[in-house]
Amino acid sequence: NAGVTQTPKFQVLKTGQSMTLQCAQDMNHNSMYWYRQDPGMGLRLIYYSASEGTTDKGEVPNGYNVSRLNKREFSLRLESAAPSQTSVYFCASTLRQGPGREQFFGPGTRLTVL
Amino acid sequence: AQKITQTQPGMFVQEKEAVTLDCTYDTSDQSYGLFWYKQPSSGEMIFLIYQGSYDEQNATEGRYSLNFQKARKSANLVISASQLGDSAMYFCAMRTNNAGNMLTFGGGTRLMVKP
Repeated sequence: NAGVTQTPKFQVLKTGQSMTLQCAQDMNHNSMYWYRQDPGMGLRLIYYSASEGTTDKGEVPNGYNVSRLNKREFSLRLESAAPSQTSVYFCASTLRQGPGREQFFGPGTRLTVL
Repeated sequence: AQKITQTQPGMFVQEKEAVTLDCTYDTSDQSYGLFWYKQPSSGEMIFLIYQGSYDEQNATEGRYSLNFQKARKSANLVISASQLGDSAMYFCAMRTNNAGNMLTFGGGTRLMVKP
């Protein structure tokens, strides 16, 4: 049981390049989330998927797209990377909606855009 | 809109002493959950403790307890008998039904445990 896995762990991009961050969970969770964490700050939600087949914008969605490929996988795409997207990206998942369940986090992807 | 405020950017505590990390929240929802996460220097997010808005008793998990004062909208984390391994960033977070079930995080508190 690997929990929430993310690839890659580190990535350096040049401005304007594109890339996809991959996330997978093996806990049969319904909901999945993408957050970003800037230095010295808390996490902010980029997009989330409450269930397979649905995606919704979070607090900071501009410059990103997501795909809920199936129940296990939720990817985040940067179409044209900008230096402002330099951050640590966390994927998370939870079993059900409602206030009661904690979110399980992946190890993070550290992205630098030059 | 939901908001979490952690007013202590950094704190020191002596090893084996107790420490309280402050968290206040703002929401108009009646049903919500409050969470604390630990982020060590390695970067992963580790769930510590959860308190539901309708829970009558304060949550406890080992050395962690949550001092929940609903009328004051505060959810402070108390760590008893601090250990060197407790040195980390600590984040308070809230989730409500109306917010699409996302977690709203505070800015965090860096705790440093002195030997």
